[in-house]
Amino acid sequence: EPEVTQTPSHQVTQMGQEVILRCVPISNHLYFYWYRQILGQKVEFLVSFYNNEISEKSEIFDDQFSVERPDGSNFTLKIRSTKLEDSAMYFCASRETSGGENIQYFGAGTRLSVL
Amino acid sequence: DQQVKQNSPSLSVQEGRISILNCDYTNSMFDYFLWYKKYPAEGPTFLISISSIKDKNEDGRFTVFLNKSAKHLSLHIVPSQPGDSAVYFCAARGAGNMLTFGGGTRLMVKP
Repeated sequence: EPEVTQTPSHQVTQMGQEVILRCVPISNHLYFYWYRQILGQKVEFLVSFYNNEISEKSEIFDDQFSVERPDGSNFTLKIRSTKLEDSAMYFCASRETSGGENIQYFGAGTRLSVL
Repeated sequence: DQQVKQNSPSLSVQEGRISILNCDYTNSMFDYFLWYKKYPAEGPTFLISISSIKDKNEDGRFTVFLNKSAKHLSLHIVPSQPGDSAVYFCAARGAGNMLTFGGGTRLMVKP
């Protein structure tokens, strides 16, 4: 069964360093998302991406964050200068079409630990 | 942000009985609702969904009910099985197709 794949499963970094979290969405999907879940808190929307551009972004998604689809398969989230409060699980999701059954399928997540 | 709330952080049910997980929302613009199940160290797994124009959707042991006037939805699992033990998240679709999640309910099904 097709699935969303995220790498690495766990990333440890020093505060101020740049990190890139990688995702391979399901192959025929057109819409891509990043969410995060800080320990003990809700899953929060960060950004959605369609047709090589950002569709929506939340207040969390500030200038330190960027997303890119560098090739036909990968979808990346970059944090330019990590802060302690960026420590969280980051989930990538993808979905096939607009409207109708709007099911977003999630990857297993990357745990980001900022020290 | 309390647009989607799951007021019960945990629920314990005996195997074979019904599990009822509840979710309340405040934004009347949400048009689609989804339930996800999450095991530790895994991402949310889609379970069942319902459009705001319906009041019930059933898939095997899982049924979701939507009461728009009360802005309330519930997930019924019957019969409950030990393998159903997980954290269940309610999510609502809003503008831009982004999902707003509830805080989750940890379901424990005892053998």
